[in-house]
Amino acid sequence: QVQLQESGPGLVKPSETLSLTCTVSGGSISSHYWTWIRQPPGKGLEWIGWIFSTGTTNYNPSLKSRVTMSVDTSKNQFSLKLGSVTAADTAVYYCARGVPSYGGNSFDRWGQGTLLTVSS
Amino acid sequence: DVQMTQSPSTLSASVGDRVTIACRASQSINTWLAWYQQKPGKAPKLLIYQASSLESGVPSRFSGSESGTEFTLTISSLQPDDFATYYCQQYNNYPFTFGPGTKVEIK
Repeated sequence: QVQLQESGPGLVKPSETLSLTCTVSGGSISSHYWTWIRQPPGKGLEWIGWIFSTGTTNYNPSLKSRVTMSVDTSKNQFSLKLGSVTAADTAVYYCARGVPSYGGNSFDRWGQGTLLTVSS
Repeated sequence: DVQMTQSPSTLSASVGDRVTIACRASQSINTWLAWYQQKPGKAPKLLIYQASSLESGVPSRFSGSESGTEFTLTISSLQPDDFATYYCQQYNNYPFTFGPGTKVEIK
């Protein structure tokens, strides 16, 4: 059973860079679309983007200028960096597994989520 | 971006009720639509993909259907474990987008 687990600092100062890592266990990272999704407190879900095991990425245009994703297949991990953060980036950040299809991706496995707060 | 709307935003129902949640896309998304269930403090859980395919392990009381740009999630007989918020998500166009959610409450 594939499991995902986010790790990160919990608190980031405004204008700094947020860094999160997702560790995949119980399966290989060498397929599927490894995805980040966020949810501000009390609000809905926002797709941030995905990275494939080859390093190919696809980002939400609303965040593209500030987002970088990377993958480390040797550690079965993938990561998110979001620069120049503001209070609007405060959210629960989820990593998820995107299922390949002729369309895009639904998400069949999720991490438990990690709350990241932007505050000085 | 494809805009997703859901109705109602909140639904009050009793155990055993048949419940229907609607989701509408602002443009054609073919059948590339998923439904998720989310409970407080938990990650979303995939229920339905490709509009009507039941995810493995999900009870058969959940079903999905589509008619053009209108999609429906039906719970045939609401169970205590089903009180949660439900989201639709389109994955026909980038960026993938979610509906605002429908909260199913105990009546």
